[in-house]
Amino acid sequence: GAVVSQHPSWVICKSGTSVKIECRSLDFQATTMFWYRQFPKQSLMLMATSNEGSKATYEQGVEKDKFLINHASLTLSTLTVTSAHPEDSSFYICSASQTQGYEQYFGPGTRLTVT
Amino acid sequence: GQNIDQPTEMTATEGAIVQINCTYQTSGFNGLFWYQQHAGEAPTFLSYNVLDGLEEKGRFSSFLSRSKGYSYLLLKELQMKDSASYLCAVRSGTGFQKLVFGTGTRLLVSP
Repeated sequence: GAVVSQHPSWVICKSGTSVKIECRSLDFQATTMFWYRQFPKQSLMLMATSNEGSKATYEQGVEKDKFLINHASLTLSTLTVTSAHPEDSSFYICSASQTQGYEQYFGPGTRLTVT
Repeated sequence: GQNIDQPTEMTATEGAIVQINCTYQTSGFNGLFWYQQHAGEAPTFLSYNVLDGLEEKGRFSSFLSRSKGYSYLLLKELQMKDSASYLCAVRSGTGFQKLVFGTGTRLLVSP
């Protein structure tokens, strides 16, 4: 139980284009989903927290107009990187949390490369 | 502010015991987590401490001292597959269960 999937697992895009990453909780309802970014040999940095049906809460320094987050249902959240630049190349990981649980369940991650 | 520190790298030999330390200074405390992460993969949950003391789970144990802002992860009977990064994370708020991750410790287990 408690499986979280991400799609795609990797993506290469050209500078200036937009990329959408999906995060799904497969066997539970996730009232809260989190998006993290991880650069090589660094730890996870929280980008934003989203609750189903409401606007995401972004961490300081994360541009909400560049990283669009939608949490339209209890099983799906999407992150869209708009006007991607090479410096956005990173490993993006989502996690999901159940209403009563304390644990975050992580997706397998999406490696984004912007050329 | 939020500050969570771990050693950057550690090495150990197969069969040995290793202790990975984590010190934290956060605005509020609502639990500490340890995760294992292999290169290119997502973190996997290892342990959770919210009260002081030791939690044991097979070869892995985690200790917490809230008054000292300190935790450690103890790995016994090391195996080659334990070579990974180990992330300490503190849940510092309520509601959204937001986690703040430490810098991570890369552990290399050699034969």
